Amino acid sequence: SQQGEEDPQALSIQEGENATMNCSYKTSINNLQWYRQNSGRGLVHLILIRSNEREKHSGRLRVTLDTSKKSSSLLITASRAADTASYFCATDASGGSYIPTFGRGTSLIVHP
Amino acid sequence: DSGVTQTPKHLITATGQRVTLRCSPRSGDLSVYWYQQSLDQGLQFLIQYYNGEERAKGNILERFSAQQFPDLHSELNLSSLELGDSALYFCASTPSGFNEKLFFGSGTQLSVL
Repeated sequence: SQQGEEDPQALSIQEGENATMNCSYKTSINNLQWYRQNSGRGLVHLILIRSNEREKHSGRLRVTLDTSKKSSSLLITASRAADTASYFCATDASGGSYIPTFGRGTSLIVHP
Repeated sequence: DSGVTQTPKHLITATGQRVTLRCSPRSGDLSVYWYQQSLDQGLQFLIQYYNGEERAKGNILERFSAQQFPDLHSELNLSSLELGDSALYFCASTPSGFNEKLFFGSGTQLSVL
């Protein structure tokens, strides 16, 4: 079963615009991670945010976590065509086995 | 390059057959995870090993089995293959298997015809 679910399923924007993707999950977590997958390739880790953190930044990426709403968002600022990929959130349920469980992902297309 | 090596990259086989997928984790990583990615099921966790021992089990079919060897490489064995087993199979590794980011291999694309 999916623990986290990303929204929207697909997002199409122009280069230079910001892209925001959301992730909602069902149970309390230890941490939440965001990954990127280029078509048919392996997933690449972007950011890990722990349950006691509210915001993290990495370059053009900004991740927020709201544990009261069981949700997270990934913001990519000043998008580039090279950002075209699928983005996944992964959560591991607290009190569980620390296994990252992935959502179905958001497919982002950035038009040059 | 994540440092995780998966072989083969592509595998085409027939229903009823058995295949073995291989994974070499990053140097120093003790934990290996296997995931299956398909269009209808998304990315599903199959099984995790830590230092040769099974640590966690997910949605792994009884026809599937895995092991981690003393040199820490892992193999995923898929038997009595069905059309629905066609998917991308990923291996990922971490140093300890707790609260860490996963380093993914490039996957094995399995096509069952």
